[in-house]
Amino acid sequence: RKEVEQDPGPFNVPEGATVAFNCTYSNSASQSFFWYRQDCRKEPKLLMSVYSSGNEDGRFTAQLNRASQYISLLIRDSKLSDSATYLCVVLDNYGQNFVFGPGTRLSVLP
Amino acid sequence: EAQVTQNPRYLITVTGKKLTVTCSQNMNHEYMSWYRQDPGLGLRQIYYSMNVEVTDKGDVPEGYKVSRKEKRNFPLILESPSPNQTSLYFCASSLTEGQGNEKLFFGSGTQLSVL
Repeated sequence: RKEVEQDPGPFNVPEGATVAFNCTYSNSASQSFFWYRQDCRKEPKLLMSVYSSGNEDGRFTAQLNRASQYISLLIRDSKLSDSATYLCVVLDNYGQNFVFGPGTRLSVLP
Repeated sequence: EAQVTQNPRYLITVTGKKLTVTCSQNMNHEYMSWYRQDPGLGLRQIYYSMNVEVTDKGDVPEGYKVSRKEKRNFPLILESPSPNQTSLYFCASSLTEGQGNEKLFFGSGTQLSVL
């Protein structure tokens, strides 16, 4: 089993749609959790950190369920510019290493 | 400006000719890492380093070497490149002090082609 798994995608959604991405991690001792966004052949960029209480940044909401070892990202009112690959990232126990999921590609269509 | 600098951005070489891709960060980060990205395969970790003189293998270390003699630099060395190492490479760095302080900063990438 891979350490970090994500929805395989791709997700093709119309503008204005709400889309949810799911991520599971296998190491129960993982410390920190993040969502990164990557445009084609560009470097990944931090979208948001994920906190136990859940957090929101504009149209983006991240949730963490430690008991189920599950992380989610919700994008509301999706824009064409949201088209990208979304990467779930976990910092393993003791902060030793960042582990990346395979990513889920999103295409927002006009 | 806080940044991770990779060089070169593009490199075309031939099989067997040793090459080094440099990575430097100006943020005094302990953690540095190298990834390769191939179509349909996502980011795969090659090597990472928790601090000076501390390096560990990632998922795909074969055919690569790294060194961490100084905190700011983490070069990736291909002693004898082969065509299957043609890929897009990213370097990244981060603090790892504790929860909430970590953020990976990435370089702009190096597109390597081995003929």
